[in-house]
Amino acid sequence: QSVLTQPPSVSGAPGQRVTISCTGSSSNIGAGYDVHWYQQLPGTAPKLLIYANNNRPSGVPDRFSGSKSGTSASLAITGLQADDEADYYCQSYDKSLSNSGVFGGGTKLTVL
Amino acid sequence: QVQLQESGPGLVKPSETLSLICAVSGGSINSYYWSWIRQPPGKGLEWIGYIYYSGSTTYNPSLKSRVTISLDTSKNQFSLRLTSVTAADTAVYYCARRSYGSGSYDSWGQGTLVTVSS
Repeated sequence: QSVLTQPPSVSGAPGQRVTISCTGSSSNIGAGYDVHWYQQLPGTAPKLLIYANNNRPSGVPDRFSGSKSGTSASLAITGLQADDEADYYCQSYDKSLSNSGVFGGGTKLTVL
Repeated sequence: QVQLQESGPGLVKPSETLSLICAVSGGSINSYYWSWIRQPPGKGLEWIGYIYYSGSTTYNPSLKSRVTISLDTSKNQFSLRLTSVTAADTAVYYCARRSYGSGSYDSWGQGTLVTVSS
């Protein structure tokens, strides 16, 4: 059971918009810790997609955006493309776990 | 552009110690936080811990009694030791760099699969 809760799967057709939620608690997201998002293509290492809730590293398309409110965060992907099909993970820290890192269980995005 | 590369045995026997090294190139290890994260086959990511360049460490409480992360600044690398391993420790192990400001992991190694089996 992951500390951060994500839906196991989401799907959408090319060109559509999808969102992936990440639900935490008052000891992690709600405590003010930033949320970060990673994209993991099959057989590869995770890649940072969004940092500090809503910031994109250089090279990440603006089709990807993040938001945070209360004890939850969301990743939105617009203009879905076939190569967006991947696993997506949220990550934060938790003060009840001695400020250790915590990940969501991951969400598999399928592009129909 | 910093690069990270994991190395170590791909097979470890139950009850023995898993040891991995992460070699850092393209940047000095004398800054940032340096981390280990693992992923059991077909499952999600699990945070193991990190070491600050000063030597201070933070570990996942569920692994703390078995984990040691250390730095070797002379070789620009850091390492992971996990004792008393069981089949549940079978995973792809990633080393990663944690950024100062945000706490995100902005650079990752390619990962190395470690299987625990007799």
